[in-house]
Amino acid sequence: GESVGLHLPTLSVQEGDNSIINCAYSNSASDYFIWYKQESGKGPQFIIDIRSNMDKRQGQRVTVLLNKTVKHLSLQIAATQPGDSAVYFCAVTGGGNKLTFGTGTQLKVEL
Amino acid sequence: NAGVTQTPKFRILKIGQSMTLQCTQDMNHNYMYWYRQDPGMGLKLIYYSVGAGITDKGEVPNGYNVSRSTTEDFPLRLELAAPSQTSVYFCASSYMNTGELFFGEGSRLTVL
Repeated sequence: GESVGLHLPTLSVQEGDNSIINCAYSNSASDYFIWYKQESGKGPQFIIDIRSNMDKRQGQRVTVLLNKTVKHLSLQIAATQPGDSAVYFCAVTGGGNKLTFGTGTQLKVEL
Repeated sequence: NAGVTQTPKFRILKIGQSMTLQCTQDMNHNYMYWYRQDPGMGLKLIYYSVGAGITDKGEVPNGYNVSRSTTEDFPLRLELAAPSQTSVYFCASSYMNTGELFFGEGSRLTVL
């Protein structure tokens, strides 16, 4: 089955800096990748997604990069703000209705 | 729209007791899901449904049951609660078979 892992359980950044959160997946047949943000005490919230026919996708202050060769994706947050403090999950699917979630990276924004 | 609503938010059960976690969504989504989240871990899929009357097992279905009699509701039943079922449970829905799931705020269950 699919396994998904994040490289760092915790990431601390200064306010205003850029943040990069990394994720690795195991199944080369995976074709859809999603990032979620989970604030304390709340459910995960969709941030951005990317399909396997793309290498990069940009949203508002966020960019997702996909490297299928090494089965790696990353989430970049520009000008990180205190409101970005949360746990970030990547999720991967190879088809069907089943997402496989990674274990999450806690992003801490220092003032 | 209220989105996805879960009740209760917190519950303590004794070993062997049973209970139902309620989930309702008002977005007319066909797809609904139940996940559990253990501390420091990602979400694990328990059960999912692609429409009223249709349910299927996820990754960790043992000890749980679901039903989907309407589009809006997707209750999760725990029979004979065990300490291993102590977790935070999230219900989610999606319009199509996409990765954009809408989550409820979670139900924190403790089994003692």
